[in-house]
Amino acid sequence: DAGITQSPRHKVTETGTPVTLRCHQTENHRYMYWYRQDPGHGLRLIHYSYGVKDTDKGEVSDGYSVSRSKTEDFLLTLESATSSQTSVYFCAISGKNRDEQYFGPGTRLTVT
Amino acid sequence: KNEVEQSPQNLTAQEGEFITINCSYSVGISALHWLQQHPGGGIVSLFMLSSGKKKHGRLIATINIQEKHSSLHITASHPRDSAVYICAVSKVEGGADGLTFGKGTHLIIQP
Repeated sequence: DAGITQSPRHKVTETGTPVTLRCHQTENHRYMYWYRQDPGHGLRLIHYSYGVKDTDKGEVSDGYSVSRSKTEDFLLTLESATSSQTSVYFCAISGKNRDEQYFGPGTRLTVT
Repeated sequence: KNEVEQSPQNLTAQEGEFITINCSYSVGISALHWLQQHPGGGIVSLFMLSSGKKKHGRLIATINIQEKHSSLHITASHPRDSAVYICAVSKVEGGADGLTFGKGTHLIIQP
């Protein structure tokens, strides 16, 4: 199994507060991704990174920012959380075959 | 229109039945993925394929590039196969810009 951890695993926060989710990998892979999963929408790409300090937007990037200062860590920040950002967030990394992706365990975020 | 469509959305079957889940896509791809997600659980990659057919245990995945269609088959289904099965595609060679997903097929296998 790919070494991917996410923290926290569960979080409840109030509308308007900042939230940072962390994805940590031990595989030294270049590509990392943040997805959100919602009923009726499935999984959608938020942001991705193709190297340290190199990031790009995905399909649903509004309201989110990311940072990658080290190969092993990819942070997702909600600057001011809204109820529409209640979701399950998954981090993923690419394997040796760049088409292959391995997923972290997910973070369940509830914004009240 | 979604770029990746799955059918059926929900499927209930009896233990031992042969299961087929279908996936159609409308974009050029470098690879197609089948993923499995158990209730409350993480996402596991079952197959990644760009042509032909792959088999792992009781699971078989096929793809027809010309028809832009893939199927996931489960032989001798078992209650532990109950999960959501998700089809996804890599649109750029190397998957650099992430995966595009179908909405999933919720499979329940009854004993």
